[in-house]
Formats: sequence, C-alpha cells, structure tokens
Amino acid sequence: EVQLVESGGGLVQPGGSLKISCAGSGFTFGTYWMDWVRQAPGKGLEWVANIKSDGSAEHYVDSVKGRFTISRDNTKSSVFLQMNSLRVEDTAIYYCARESREGQFFDQWGRGALVTVSS
Amino acid sequence: IVLTQSPATLSSSPGERVTLSCRTSENVLTYLAWYQHKPGQAPRLLIYDASNRATGVPARFSGSGSGTDFTLTISSLEPEDFAVYYCQQRINWPPLTFGGGTRVEIK
Repeated sequence: EVQLVESGGGLVQPGGSLKISCAGSGFTFGTYWMDWVRQAPGKGLEWVANIKSDGSAEHYVDSVKGRFTISRDNTKSSVFLQMNSLRVEDTAIYYCARESREGQFFDQWGRGALVTVSS
Repeated sequence: IVLTQSPATLSSSPGERVTLSCRTSENVLTYLAWYQHKPGQAPRLLIYDASNRATGVPARFSGSGSGTDFTLTISSLEPEDFAVYYCQQRINWPPLTFGGGTRVEIK
C-alpha cells in the first residue's frame, strides 16, 4: 500500500523557520516527482513546490521563492520542505503529494502537517 | 492560468445527479484533473486528463470537456460523496494551479 506521512508541523513565530518532512512507502520513491501543496484555513488548495525524482530540478510558486526550499533523500524515501522567513499567511496544512508518472497531477497524497505562524 | 469553479456550493440530495463546472483562463487542452477532499483527510484523485477515471474511482464519477470548459458529473450522489471538489491544470507550469473548489453539501 502506498503511504505518504508528513511530520514536523507546529507553531512558529513570524520570521522563524521550520522544516517539515514526508516519508513515502509502498512504492519506488526515487522514481517519482514529489510535491508540496498547502491549504490555508478556510481556503482552497495551493501548489507550493515540486522536485524531480533525482533531485536535479525544483520549482516553486512565486510567493515562497527565496524563502522555501524543497529537497529529498531517496535513500530514506523522504522529501522535505525547509521554510524560512515565515509569514502569518504561510499558516496552512501542508500536504505531501506524489506526481503521476503520466504527468503533473497527484495520484497519492498524505494527510498533511499543520504549520501555524503566529506570535 | 486561473481556474474558476462554479457553483461555490451545491446543495443536493442522495441519488441526485450533479454537475460541477471548471473554466480555465487559457486553453489547457485536456490537461485537467479533478480531486475530492473531505475534512481531515488526504485529497483523492478522481479524474485525470479531463475524462480518465483514476484507479478505484466509482463509475458514477465522470469528467468531460476540453479547451477552457470542463465538467465533473456525479450520476447519483452517494452519502460519501459530500465533500469539496477541486480542478487542477498541468499544461502551463510552474505554477500548477487549482480552482477555488465546489462544496457539495447535503440538502
């Protein structure tokens, strides 16, 4: 069974940093692009970033460029999101998602990690 | 690319047929997916490339459309179908973009 499990969420002050993780199992992790998608309270889904299967390419939504960094460790079947200079508007549930082999849509999702940015 | 979903909320009863709309600001050909999302759960892929059902998705879910106008139809609502539905385009990225969602609620 394919599983994606996020961890590392929590409360952080504005301007602070946090790193969240996602552990994959039940599939050949190192052959898939992986993404982070977030949902702010009362809002819809927003794509945040993705990373190529071998880690050689990454892309970001403009609102997090220069502040967030996506990375992966295929030996540990894990993908990470390092979040710096956090803002109140970054408060959201952050979902880890696997891209399909057939294109940039998401065929597996985790249950999410809550990140709260507040003083 | 901006995706506009309508209606924002749809009130229906079990057994009814419902149609959800997604319009894109640019031509996305058929590179459109639909997801179902329930509170506290992981989102679930329903339809990819406009009309292909994902593995394990019941046949009551169907997708259609191309270009800028797309539809998700649930032929007969089941109690477990009450959720929020999102469309997503993948033709022109980054960024990958989602619509604002349609909430299907019990009438």
